[in-house]
Amino acid sequence: NAGVTQTPKFQVLKTGQSMTLQCAQDMNHNSMYWYRQDPGMGLRLIYYSASEGTTDKGEVPNGYNVSRLNKREFSLRLESAAPSQTSVYFCASSQKGEFHFGPGTRLTVT
Amino acid sequence: QQQVKQSPQSLIVQKGGIPIINCAYENTAFDYFPWYQQFPGKGPALLIAIRPDVSEKKEGRFTISFNKSAKQFSLHIMDSQPGDSATYFCAANRGSARQLTFGSGTQLTVLP
Repeated sequence: NAGVTQTPKFQVLKTGQSMTLQCAQDMNHNSMYWYRQDPGMGLRLIYYSASEGTTDKGEVPNGYNVSRLNKREFSLRLESAAPSQTSVYFCASSQKGEFHFGPGTRLTVT
Repeated sequence: QQQVKQSPQSLIVQKGGIPIINCAYENTAFDYFPWYQQFPGKGPALLIAIRPDVSEKKEGRFTISFNKSAKQFSLHIMDSQPGDSATYFCAANRGSARQLTFGSGTQLTVLP
């Protein structure tokens, strides 16, 4: 039982490059989330998926897209990375209000 | 618009001290208030949570105090230890929504 897993752990991109962050959970949770964490700003919701087949924008969705591939997997895509997207990205899943977070992906855009 | 305000931003206490972290919220529809603990390089992990029908909840050395009329809640860590050094986040949620709104975090250092 791995909980929530994320890949990669670290990534460096040049401005304009694209990439996809992968997330998977093995707890059979319906809801999954992508947050970004920046110093002094806590965690801010980018996108979430309340159930398989649905996705909704969070607080800071601009520059990102998501795919809920199946119940287990929820990916986050940066189509054209910008330095403002340098951050630590956390995937989470939840059931009955209890959230479980992955270990994070540290992304640097130069 | 920050719906959950957390203070202080950082806190240093001696071993055995009782650090207190405070949060205030605006949305009266919030009905679930968790605290998360995050160690460097790790994701946040649920520490303790409270619903507004009680004024206090204790789990081991961690206590949440909740003041519904003031729209405030706080985390107290009794007999703090160096291993408690971490970043602590308060959060709030409404039952009908599935999103957590987080405070900005408090970096706690417990000196040996």
